[in-house]
Amino acid sequence: EAGVAQSPRYKIIEKRQSVAFWCNPISGHATLYWYQQILGQGPKLLIQFQNNGVVDDSQLPKDRFSAERLKGVDSTLKIQPAKLEDSAVYLCASSTQGNTEAFFGQGTRLTVV
Amino acid sequence: LAKTTQPISMDSYEGQEVNITCSHNNIATNDYITWYQQFPSQGPRFIIQGYKTKVTNEVASLFIPADRKSSTLSLPRVSLSDTAVYYCLVGPYTGGFKTIFGAGTRLFVKA
Repeated sequence: EAGVAQSPRYKIIEKRQSVAFWCNPISGHATLYWYQQILGQGPKLLIQFQNNGVVDDSQLPKDRFSAERLKGVDSTLKIQPAKLEDSAVYLCASSTQGNTEAFFGQGTRLTVV
Repeated sequence: LAKTTQPISMDSYEGQEVNITCSHNNIATNDYITWYQQFPSQGPRFIIQGYKTKVTNEVASLFIPADRKSSTLSLPRVSLSDTAVYYCLVGPYTGGFKTIFGAGTRLFVKA
């Protein structure tokens, strides 16, 4: 079974630039999550989708972060403009509806300089 | 959502049994306890989940006392490859994965 795919694996940008991350969840998984993990900390949930609808985006900095999940499959997370404090690993995860076992991708490591 | 408290780090030697305890004093009636493992440069990986008493799978055991205010992840005969961060999460089983990661416990297994 293919896992959660994320790209790119690494990205370096200058502050105030924009960046986008892509995620392809496990086939059939209705729920998709984006997490931000700062070095030395646990992952923090940014947004949760159920199919193509947003379930929880309470911790998403909406002034600069946006996410979409068109057609209820792939998802993109965008940051515009990026700040130095956005340097982190961005993890995508998916799960079947109603299941608490989430499967994570390897993440995208973002460095903002 | 219930907050969890775990030791920041633990050391062990190969072949030993490791027990990591997590406190979750305000766990709700419909909350489950889930443990994840994370290696460097990888996303977290599900280890085990339980509601009460004891759960065992091919990787670990999870012990949950009757009051459910704490839980213990038990890793039998650890190896060097078990060096990782272990997260205890508490949250409802409904509506998908809606739990909060804490800082986790960094386990170092020595030869």
